Amino acid sequence: EAGVVQSPRYKIIEKKQPVAFWCNPISGHNTLYWYRQNLGQGPELLIRYENEEAVDDSQLPKDRFSAERLKGVDSTLKIQPAELGDSAVYLCASSLRGTGGEKLFFGSGTQLSVL
Amino acid sequence: GENVEQHPSTLSVQEGDSAVIKCTYSDSASNYFPWYKQELGKGPQLIIDIRSNVGEKKDQRIAVTLNKTAKHFSLHITETQPEDSAVYFCAASIRNDYKLSFGAGTTVTVRA
Repeated sequence: EAGVVQSPRYKIIEKKQPVAFWCNPISGHNTLYWYRQNLGQGPELLIRYENEEAVDDSQLPKDRFSAERLKGVDSTLKIQPAELGDSAVYLCASSLRGTGGEKLFFGSGTQLSVL
Repeated sequence: GENVEQHPSTLSVQEGDSAVIKCTYSDSASNYFPWYKQELGKGPQLIIDIRSNVGEKKDQRIAVTLNKTAKHFSLHITETQPEDSAVYFCAASIRNDYKLSFGAGTTVTVRA
């Protein structure tokens, strides 16, 4: 069974440029998460989807970040415009509803560097 | 919200020795405590978890203990091997809340 797939693996951009990350969750997992992991820190939740609905986006900086999950499968996270402080690893995770959302399966992440 | 603190931040052990990582949490309503292992260039991977109705859980060389009264839980790795070298994260959540709060991580190095 394929795991959570993310692309790209690395992205280097200049500040004020836009950037987008893509995630394909494990087949059948209806809950999808975007986390941000700063260097030397644990992951922090940005947004959680149940199917195509964003049910928790309280930690998403909505002035520059946006996300979507069309058809309740793949998801895209966008930053526009990027700032120096956005440099981090962006992790996507999925879980299966009915398990309490507990067992998260993470992708390998997208490492973003903003210059 | 939940605040999870993790210690130590780095841990170096001789191959074959044991490693212990400790975490504390702030929200007494938290009842689910997973541990994740993150290797370089990869996402975190769940290695073991425990719920608040259990005091201890073991899976081969790894074990987790929970003290609800003191609000702390620990990961124990016995007979460490080089492949145990990684960053380990503890986390806490309220079941069905879907919001995991992670510790800052412990970098474990197993010396051959």
